[in-house]
Amino acid sequence: AQSVTQLDSHVSVSEGTPVLLRCNYSSSYSPSLFWYVQHPNKGLQLLLKYTSAATLVKGINGFEAEFKKSETSFHLTKPSAHMSDAAEYFCVVSGVSASKIIFGSGTRLSIRP
Amino acid sequence: DTAVSQTPKYLVTQMGNDKSIKCEQNLGHDTMYWYKQDSKKFLKIMFSYNNKELIINETVPNRFSPKSPDKAHLNLHINSLELGDSAVYFCASSQGRQETQYFGPGTRLLVL
Repeated sequence: AQSVTQLDSHVSVSEGTPVLLRCNYSSSYSPSLFWYVQHPNKGLQLLLKYTSAATLVKGINGFEAEFKKSETSFHLTKPSAHMSDAAEYFCVVSGVSASKIIFGSGTRLSIRP
Repeated sequence: DTAVSQTPKYLVTQMGNDKSIKCEQNLGHDTMYWYKQDSKKFLKIMFSYNNKELIINETVPNRFSPKSPDKAHLNLHINSLELGDSAVYFCASSQGRQETQYFGPGTRLLVL
């Protein structure tokens, strides 16, 4: 069985401080893991993806995520938040089976000036 | 050039009507998807087509029927619209089933 859990529905940080968005997954197979961002009234855009290569994945806009198999986690981080990072973030697990593409429930990131 | 486009962008209609949403991708991808995003931002996959063949058909009412005339198009037809169908519908495409998906801008459907 496959599942993905985003541990926080809302995260609020001050501009210039670090960002941590948490994601845990479960998968019977070696999964592909993704983080997507959705800005207000927009479609989703890929931030980064893990596909069994390097465990530390760098994405766009200064984001990165680390795949930790022992913790079944794929947390998204950024050293310094910018106002433009305010958006909804989705963690996605995609397995070997074509029918298994599962989105997390989303984390809304707010940035305080 | 828009990679994944959807029409219309907004759709307001009455209960009981039949409507269609069109999706086109110019990326040469072989897999296309339809998602429904509810008011709480929860995204759920509805259908996926690979090379014009249905490969994912999640539990959705049979009032929803996807049609793929060719690899670049995946349209969604909805019969007898209900209030609960109000949502944002996203089309996406990818080259391969585990690869990055590229999303369209969404179609905001409101059923009155």
